[in-house]
Amino acid sequence: DSGVTQTPKHLITATGQRVTLRCSPRSGDLSVYWYQQSLDQGLQFLIQYYNGEERAKGNILERFSAQQFPDLHSELNLSSLELGDSALYFCASSGISRGRTETQYFGPGTRLLVL
Amino acid sequence: KNQVEQSPQSLIILEGKNCTLQCNYTVSPFSNLRWYKQDTGRGPVSLTIMTFSENTKSNGRYTATLDADTKQSSLHITASQLSDSASYICVVRAFSGGYNKLIFGAGTRLAVHP
Repeated sequence: DSGVTQTPKHLITATGQRVTLRCSPRSGDLSVYWYQQSLDQGLQFLIQYYNGEERAKGNILERFSAQQFPDLHSELNLSSLELGDSALYFCASSGISRGRTETQYFGPGTRLLVL
Repeated sequence: KNQVEQSPQSLIILEGKNCTLQCNYTVSPFSNLRWYKQDTGRGPVSLTIMTFSENTKSNGRYTATLDADTKQSSLHITASQLSDSASYICVVRAFSGGYNKLIFGAGTRLAVHP
């Protein structure tokens, strides 16, 4: 157990709909990262937040948005869903450590299926 | 072209044997390189993190090496066990556009057979 929690575990929805995925980081971790992993594909970095502020942006579509709240939990919003958005969505968190070698701890993921 | 390339794409070995997975990267400037293990349907778990000044780092039966000059890394698994069956992902951290970014390889899928 990494200490990172994600809800829901599974989500089935239809094209055109909007969903919200939730992530609670490990206690004390300030950074939250979101990743997308399509079937048999590598992890794609979407976005990072640090203490409520956007820190880095990867291959995140305009239909997707995220935020980190004062209690440090984060939400990833996916709108106008398409079939190709079906994937595993992972959240990871990291804290502050010496240098830049902080370890990211991954949650169990949310499996999204768009029908 | 992917900035982090891993080989082989997949690998089957017998239990007890050793194996080596490769990672080549073109990312620059380079900050650190990580190896993760990902069981099917689960989140990745960190195995090693190496900065550019480190040549080797071990974590139990896993040993990672790094050659920052040739931009190559390898992950050596010794005396493989059935539980080593997983995807192994190489991740390079770089500084680009004012941000630190993590760039993931596509992974090597390892199957350990009895």
